[in-house]
Amino acid sequence: AQKVTQAQTEISVVEKEDVTLDCVYETRDTTYYLFWYKQPPSGELVFLIRRNSFDEQNEISGRYSWNFQKSTSSFNFTITASQVVDSAVYFCALSEAYPGANNLFFGTGTRLTVIP
Amino acid sequence: GAVVSQHPSWVICKSGTSVKIECRSLDFQATTMFWYRQFPKQSLMLMATSNEGSKATYEQGVEKDKFLINHASLTLSTLTVTSAHPEDSSFYICSAKRGRLTGELFFGEGSRLTVL
Repeated sequence: AQKVTQAQTEISVVEKEDVTLDCVYETRDTTYYLFWYKQPPSGELVFLIRRNSFDEQNEISGRYSWNFQKSTSSFNFTITASQVVDSAVYFCALSEAYPGANNLFFGTGTRLTVIP
Repeated sequence: GAVVSQHPSWVICKSGTSVKIECRSLDFQATTMFWYRQFPKQSLMLMATSNEGSKATYEQGVEKDKFLINHASLTLSTLTVTSAHPEDSSFYICSAKRGRLTGELFFGEGSRLTVL
């Protein structure tokens, strides 16, 4: 069964600090996708990244970076030099990767508050 | 990127009335759409999978007669909350799957339902 755990319920940092959001997953599938979504106060889900299980390269996009460690089943997300606009709930999610696969399994989310 | 639009973005209704929420994929055809529900400060929970031209598949614990889902075309799925009660107040989010094989999901902006 698929499961995504985001142990950090809430995090507060001061602006310009770096912050890492943890994500640990469980799956029996050998091929799967991992995602991160941002949900600002307005409620919509903003797609941040999708990573295939075969691609363990870390990725950097501006102030965002992701560390995928298959050995520990983790897909952590780091925001460098945090800004107030980064305040949101961040969800990690997992989906199967075979054709016809459907559902996303979401973690419980981490609420990040960046204090000016 | 692909766009999924939900309407209305928020609705307030009296207890006992029915409310319809639309989910449209604006620039791609979606044979599969998903409906999620999110209670305050909680994660997204899948309610049902909607396939174009067939009956929706509901997750365990979701009342089919309460939450009617219709996927009448490749770009539109609707969720009708029938005889709404205050406990149905929630944030409802749809997602649409682009392509049968890639499994790429795009989320709507969400619809906030408040039942008085």
